[in-house]
Amino acid sequence: QSALTQPASVSGSPGQSITISCTGTSGDVGGYNYVSWYQQHPGKAPKLMIYDVSNRPSGVSDRFSGSKSGNTASLTISGLQAEDEADYYCSSYTSSSTYVFGTGTKVTVL
Amino acid sequence: EVQLVESGGGLVQPGGSLRLSCAASGFTFNIYELNWVRQAPGKGLEWVSYIGDSGSSRYYADAVKGRFTISRDNAKNSLYLQMNSLRAEDTAVYYCAREAENYYGMDVWGQGTTVTVSS
Repeated sequence: QSALTQPASVSGSPGQSITISCTGTSGDVGGYNYVSWYQQHPGKAPKLMIYDVSNRPSGVSDRFSGSKSGNTASLTISGLQAEDEADYYCSSYTSSSTYVFGTGTKVTVL
Repeated sequence: EVQLVESGGGLVQPGGSLRLSCAASGFTFNIYELNWVRQAPGKGLEWVSYIGDSGSSRYYADAVKGRFTISRDNAKNSLYLQMNSLRAEDTAVYYCAREAENYYGMDVWGQGTTVTVSS
């Protein structure tokens, strides 16, 4: 149950687009279309942003989008805004009927 | 309002035990699967355990298998995590999280309860 690999940090200017990668194995990310993404502001609980690779829950801005290719999933934030500055985590269902989270990415809005 | 509220955290000595609770409200508790997720100080999220809607299916992370037990009481709209043989590395904020009804993703989270394992 090794954590999925994410970049430690990603930054961008307001209005720009950024992409966060999430790399796993064929036993998790690559084997299932069950990747989700969470946003966490300091001292707060995580918030679901994307589910099943590319779907947004009701109320989540369409500036957030997800995709997957092979063992790597990605989260793209378009039109970056100051409020997007937070930690982001990917998660995947696994072949062991468990879940695994990514290492987390700190997004900084310059 | 859909809500999950954790309780039961605190300071415990290594080797000790603690039971966390998660009270649910605002939704039909017995049709949802639930998870415990933890976050050590300054670290990332770590999935801990899952329980199915009836309680018959349970899964655990390797790090806690054999020491932690997840359970639920659908009559009381409550989720539990019994933690035994606690170690310093179990120190974390523990969140309960609801599995969405029709897709894979944790759509509702509690505010977390803090567990500190230290002598």
